Formats: sequence, C-alpha cells, structure tokens
Amino acid sequence: EAQVTQNPRYLITVTGKKLTVTCSQNMNHEYMSWYRQDPGLGLRQIYYSMNVEVTDKGDVPEGYKVSRKEKRNFPLILESPSPNQTSLYFCASSTLIYNEQFFGPGTRLTVL
Amino acid sequence: DQQVKQNSPSLSVQEGRISILNCDYTNSMFDYFLWYKKYPAEGPTFLISISSIKDKNEDGRFTVFLNKSAKHLSLHIVPSQPGDSAVYFCAASASNNDMRFGAGTRLTVKP
Repeated sequence: EAQVTQNPRYLITVTGKKLTVTCSQNMNHEYMSWYRQDPGLGLRQIYYSMNVEVTDKGDVPEGYKVSRKEKRNFPLILESPSPNQTSLYFCASSTLIYNEQFFGPGTRLTVL
Repeated sequence: DQQVKQNSPSLSVQEGRISILNCDYTNSMFDYFLWYKKYPAEGPTFLISISSIKDKNEDGRFTVFLNKSAKHLSLHIVPSQPGDSAVYFCAASASNNDMRFGAGTRLTVKP
C-alpha cells in the first residue's frame, strides 16, 4: 500500500529535550516536505526536499532541522524544543512532476 | 504573510444542496492550485486540482473554478453529502513544488 508514515503519532516532551520525528514514504517520491498545522493558520511549510541531500527552508524553519540521506526518509529534528513548537505536524511527499502531495497521518507534539 | 486565504472558517449546508468554498491568493506566480480534504485524526488527502491554463476542472461531484484576474478560486460540491463534512484546504504552488496552504474551511453537511 502506498503510504507516508510518521512516528511517533503523539509525543509529550519538555523544553530543551532534543527529539526527532521520523517520516518515511514507499512511493519513490523525490519531493518531501514537513508542515505544521495551527488553529487559524492552516498548514505552514517548515522544510522541503527536492531530492537526496537537497533541502530548503519553507515559511517557518526556525527551531527545526531536517536531513535527507535516503530518498524514502525525511526526519524532522527539534534540537531544543520550546512550547511554541507545540503543534500538529504533517509529512508529505510527491513526485516532482505532479504537485499532488500524499500526507502522513500527523504527529501531535506537546512541549511543556 | 499569508499568500493563500480562505476567509470563511466554516460553512454549513443541507444535504443535497451545493457547497461553495472560496479561496483567494496574492502571488501572481502561482500556476497550480489544489484542494485537499481533511478528516479528524488523519492527514489531508488530495481532492482536485487545476492548472492556471484552465478556468474549470470537474471530477464527479467536485468542480474547481479559477479566476486568474481576480486571483480567486472556488470549489463546488454538488450535491453535498454528509460524508463531505471535513476541513477543506486550498493550496497553491509556483512550479517548484513549494506549496502554500490556506487556513482551511470546515464544511458541515446536515442530513
């Protein structure tokens, strides 16, 4: 089954404790992206990647890091989480030709 | 700076009637527009798209209209069904997969 998976689905952590949210897709997509969803603001792009070892900042990259060492994986790293990073996070992937992105199920992160 | 705006946070319609969801954008470089549907506890799923070279695209009960001069697009659902109740996101991109989303409109279809 073609899908984007994210782990964990739910995470409660404390300020400053480094964490990683994993994202993996099995569709051989070149493009992968991370978004955060906040009430009234919709989906805002954090980082995206057009291919292995190629990453770019989106609208709200501050406080986040990403890496793309393999085509299928695109982890999101919060080196020192803060309460304003409490949000619902989505990973997505697509081909480079067609813009229709496939989304993962989301990760709800709470930073205390 | 929100380049894609959905000014109606919510919309309620009766089953069988038409639902019209609206979206405005500011960036004239956008050339591809999409609508996604999102149910609670799930990721958004692609619904329908339109290229800037067209002004209408239809897929079953769903039709998207694009008015480039007004920088406006709309999604029509006819007839609306209770299963259409979800949050709908409008999105736009400028040929580089860099996607911008609106804030979403929560559609409720009443039986």
